[in-house]
Amino acid sequence: EVQMVESGGGLVQPGGSLRLSCAASGFTFSSYWMSWLCQAPGKGLEWVATISPDGTQKYYVDSVKGRFTISRDNAKNSLYLQMNSLRVEDTAVYYCVRNGQDWGQGTLVSVSS
Amino acid sequence: DVVMTQSPLSLPVTLGQPASISCRSSQSLVYSDGNTFLSWFQQRPGQSPRRLIYKVSKRDSGVPDRFSGSGSGTDFTLKISRVEAEDVATYYCMQHTHWPHTFGQGTKVEIK
Repeated sequence: EVQMVESGGGLVQPGGSLRLSCAASGFTFSSYWMSWLCQAPGKGLEWVATISPDGTQKYYVDSVKGRFTISRDNAKNSLYLQMNSLRVEDTAVYYCVRNGQDWGQGTLVSVSS
Repeated sequence: DVVMTQSPLSLPVTLGQPASISCRSSQSLVYSDGNTFLSWFQQRPGQSPRRLIYKVSKRDSGVPDRFSGSGSGTDFTLKISRVEAEDVATYYCMQHTHWPHTFGQGTKVEIK
């Protein structure tokens, strides 16, 4: 069974940092494009970042460029999102997504003073 | 960025009746290889999204055949042939032909 389990969310002050992790199982992780998507409270879905299977290609939404970094460790079947210079508007549930098809349960990031 | 516009944003339907959601993109979603990367997602209250349809009209495994996708270029439609109670959810279209990938605003389907 394909499964993604996110962790690392929490409450952080504006300007702070968080590192989200996604533990993947049930499929050959190293073969798939992986993404982070988010959903602010009561709002719609937003794509955040995507990484290629070998980690050499990375794409970001403009609002996080220079602040967030997507990465992966294929040996550990894990996906990461390093979030720096966090803003109040980054508050959202962040989902780890495989190829657009399979979603984790999400981890909540709250940015507030 | 490609703007995805869904309509309606709210859709009250009677159980057993059909429902249709429109999604329009601000530019063609046809990729250079001829594929059109337009997907539909369902998000039930309190749950993670679930992909229903990919490449315009291909149903994901386990998706009931009352759900169908159609369209081309810039105009796309998700249809539910006969709405059931479990279909109460918000539905999103998403394009992943162009970077950044973008979503429609969502259409909330509720029972009358």
